[in-house]
Amino acid sequence: DIQVTQSPSSLLASLGERVTITCQTSQSISNNLNWYQQKPGQAPMLLIYYATSLQTGMTSRFSGQYSGRSFTLTITSLEPEDIANYFCLQHYSAPLTFGSGTKLEIK
Amino acid sequence: QVQLKESGPGLVQPSQTLSLTCTVSGFSLTSYNVHWVRQPPGKGLEWMGRMRYNGDTSYNSALKSRLSISRDTSKNQVFLKMNSLQTDDTGTYYCSTGHYFDYWGQGVMVTVSS
Repeated sequence: DIQVTQSPSSLLASLGERVTITCQTSQSISNNLNWYQQKPGQAPMLLIYYATSLQTGMTSRFSGQYSGRSFTLTITSLEPEDIANYFCLQHYSAPLTFGSGTKLEIK
Repeated sequence: QVQLKESGPGLVQPSQTLSLTCTVSGFSLTSYNVHWVRQPPGKGLEWMGRMRYNGDTSYNSALKSRLSISRDTSKNQVFLKMNSLQTDDTGTYYCSTGHYFDYWGQGVMVTVSS
């Protein structure tokens, strides 16, 4: 099974700050990784698919990059509505695996 | 538009079997994979398994011995059955689909308790 290591597990940031979350996979998955945002009581919402593509309707403050087995989600200029949990998902091969999540809070 | 809705019992007794249904609309089950994902309260997401568009299934290694996913294409439904439930199976269960894994149901909360 492909392991996905997500960091940090929690993040305190100020409004307007640039935030970065990382997922590292245990083996190469090309660009087969998605990023999701989840707010309390809601289903996950797709932000980024295939590592770098912004989902339709999502703000361009979110972006994704990758290099080898390392994937990053960046939020430029943090807004109050960005407070949520963030998860990555590798969908290169079954069993699919999620990162453990990052809880983003305002400082 | 694509919609998914999970349904099933909210309470299951320990050692019993969980049966959930994902009813879909707006697409054909023979065109897209449907996944089951669960989330314990306050914790992260766990991929449980999937029904592929062609009828094949794949399962989470840790759940494989207890889990079965099937479908009825005529009713646009995908089913999850998991036996030998324990308290740590408590959580919200989601079904999801889409070319980019982008559509999710609202989830159904399942509590395992006597």
